[in-house]
Amino acid sequence: SAVISQKPSRDICQRGTSLTIQCQVDSQVTMMFWYRQQPGQSLTLIATANQGSEATYESGFVIDKFPISRPNLTFSTLTVSNMSPEDSSIYLCSVQSRTNTEAFFGQGTRLTVV
Amino acid sequence: GQQVMQIPQYQHVQEGEDFTTYCNSSTTLSNIQWYKQRPGGHPVFLIQLVKSGEVKKQKRLTFQFGEAKKNSSLHITATQTTDVGTYFCAAYGNKLVFGAGTILRVKS
Repeated sequence: SAVISQKPSRDICQRGTSLTIQCQVDSQVTMMFWYRQQPGQSLTLIATANQGSEATYESGFVIDKFPISRPNLTFSTLTVSNMSPEDSSIYLCSVQSRTNTEAFFGQGTRLTVV
Repeated sequence: GQQVMQIPQYQHVQEGEDFTTYCNSSTTLSNIQWYKQRPGGHPVFLIQLVKSGEVKKQKRLTFQFGEAKKNSSLHITATQTTDVGTYFCAAYGNKLVFGAGTILRVKS
């Protein structure tokens, strides 16, 4: 199993500002995943963060809006840039087990943009 | 890309009643995973199914994977208030794709 610490747990931000979310894993993992979960909705993959290379973004998500860092095998950050109220959502980081049989999630960051 | 459809979107049951959520795909799945998300919480892995026709049980929860590996179900027998939450199916290809989820509310 993996233990993931994600912070902040929640924040209220002004539109036009940026927020950086941190994710720390208790073991080394090749890939870390960032999801968005809008209120009452499912999880949508934003990007896959690979150590030592650029993150891979899913359709509809761009690096300028959601820059990601992955400085080592246990840590990643996601920045939500130039925020608008539409960015209000829960953001979750995740890792897979070694055999990809299950995913582990951080506690999530509940973001409200006003 | 791979998609999984999940129904119903929402179910409100009386405590003690049974509950079932269904997951369907138009393509054959290599596996199906199920997660539970409590209100205000994060998704927690319940189980993975990989074999055609597979049935697994966890106490009052029964998970099935269809013979064609295109559908799956989660059945809860005699629901309790602790079962409240959203249940997601998810399929792993080159990434994990989640169904829309079924929100379960239990009236005591």
